[in-house]
Amino acid sequence: DGGITQSPKYLFRKEGQNVTLSCEQNLNHDAMYWYRQDPGQGLRLIYYSQIVNDFQKGDIAEGYSVSREKKESFPLTVTSAQKNPTAFYLCASRIQGNTEAFFGQGTRLTVV
Amino acid sequence: AQSVAQPEDQVNVAEGNPLTVKCTYSVSGNPYLFWYVQYPNRGLQFLLKYITGDNLVKGSYGFEAEFNKSQTSFHLKKPSALVSDSALYFCAVRDTRWGSGGSNYKLTFGKGTLLTVNP
Repeated sequence: DGGITQSPKYLFRKEGQNVTLSCEQNLNHDAMYWYRQDPGQGLRLIYYSQIVNDFQKGDIAEGYSVSREKKESFPLTVTSAQKNPTAFYLCASRIQGNTEAFFGQGTRLTVV
Repeated sequence: AQSVAQPEDQVNVAEGNPLTVKCTYSVSGNPYLFWYVQYPNRGLQFLLKYITGDNLVKGSYGFEAEFNKSQTSFHLKKPSALVSDSALYFCAVRDTRWGSGGSNYKLTFGKGTLLTVNP
C-alpha cells in the first residue's frame, strides 16, 4: 500500500533523553513536513524539507532536529533542549505541482 | 503573513440537519484554501481545496465548501450530517513565505473546530 508511515504510534521519553520519530513515505513525494499538535492550538510547523539534503526551520524548531538523507525518509529528533515535548506529532508530504499535503497517522510522545 | 481563523471551537448539530463549520482567511494575493478532518488519535485527512474557479467546491464524504472573496470566508458545509461526521475539522491556507514560484510553501492551519453530530 502507498502512504506515509509514522512510527512508533506511542512513545515515552524520560526527562533529558533524545528520541527520534520516524516518518517514511513511498508516494515519491518531494516535500515533507513535521507538525506538532497541542489541544486548542491547531498544528504548528516544526521543520520542512523540499528536497534531499535540504531542510528549513518552521515556526517552532527550537529543541528539534531533522535529516533528509533519502527522499522517502524524514526523521525528527526531539532533543533534551525541547522543554515541553509532550504532544502529538504529525508528518506530512506533498508532491511538487500539487497543493495539498497528505498526513501520516501521528506519534504521541509523552515525557515521563 | 497568511492566516486562517475558525471562530467556533465547537459545533453541535443533530443528525440529518445541515452543518456549517466556519473559516475566515487573511492572505496577500490569491488564496489557496483547504479543509482537513481529523478523527481521534489519527492523522489529518484531506477533504477539499479551493485554488481557482467555481466558488462552490465539492469534496470527499459529501462535504462542500463555499469560497466568498468579499467576506474572506471558506465555510465547510454538508446538507445532511451523519453521526460519523463527528470529528475535528481544520481549515488551512497556503503560505508561500519561503519560496518563489509557488513550489516552496507550508500550510498554515486554524485551531480546529470540534464537530459533534447528535443522533
